[in-house]
Amino acid sequence: EAGVVQSPRYKIIEKKQPVAFWCNPISGHNTLYWYRQNLGQGPELLIRYENEEAVDDSQLPKDRFSAERLKGVDSTLKIQPAELGDSAVYLCASSPGPPRPAFFGQGTRLTVV
Amino acid sequence: AQSVTQLGSHVSVSEGALVLLRCNYSSSVPPYLFWYVQYPNQGLQLLLKYTTGATLVKGINGFEAEFKKSETSFHLTKPSAHMSDAAEYFCAVSARNAGGTSYGKLTFGQGTILTVHP
Repeated sequence: EAGVVQSPRYKIIEKKQPVAFWCNPISGHNTLYWYRQNLGQGPELLIRYENEEAVDDSQLPKDRFSAERLKGVDSTLKIQPAELGDSAVYLCASSPGPPRPAFFGQGTRLTVV
Repeated sequence: AQSVTQLGSHVSVSEGALVLLRCNYSSSVPPYLFWYVQYPNQGLQLLLKYTTGATLVKGINGFEAEFKKSETSFHLTKPSAHMSDAAEYFCAVSARNAGGTSYGKLTFGQGTILTVHP
């Protein structure tokens, strides 16, 4: 069974530029999470989807971040414009649904210069 | 609101020694509990989980954890550390209501970096 796939693995952009991350969850997993992990810290939830619906986006900075999950499968997270403080690892995870555990992709390391 | 605290951001042990990583949660109803491990430049890998049933749960790589409601704890242990255990470990909680239905939000602790000395 294929795991959660994220791309790209690494991205370096200049501040004020846009960037997008892509996630393909495990087949059949209805729940999809996007987390941000700053250096030396635990992951922090940005948004959670149940199928196509964003059920928890309270921590998503909506002035510059957006996300979508079309057809309840793949998801894209976008930042526009990026700021220096957005440098972090962005993790995607999926789950068959709570309370079953989430399975993580390898993450995208974003560096904003 | 649910929260999780990992005591000790760094733990150092000798190879063959006991590993003990501490996790305490704050939740009005005992949550679902998880331990994840993260190797450098990798995503998080599930070590073990507690949902219901036996309070001592066994996971991969020889790790186990015990849910103690009275202490609101879910500490991770391994009897004998191996060099390959060096990584960062995260405790995570998923709150649920009194009926057992999960709210779905997974909240992580700040992590504990485990160093294993030869």
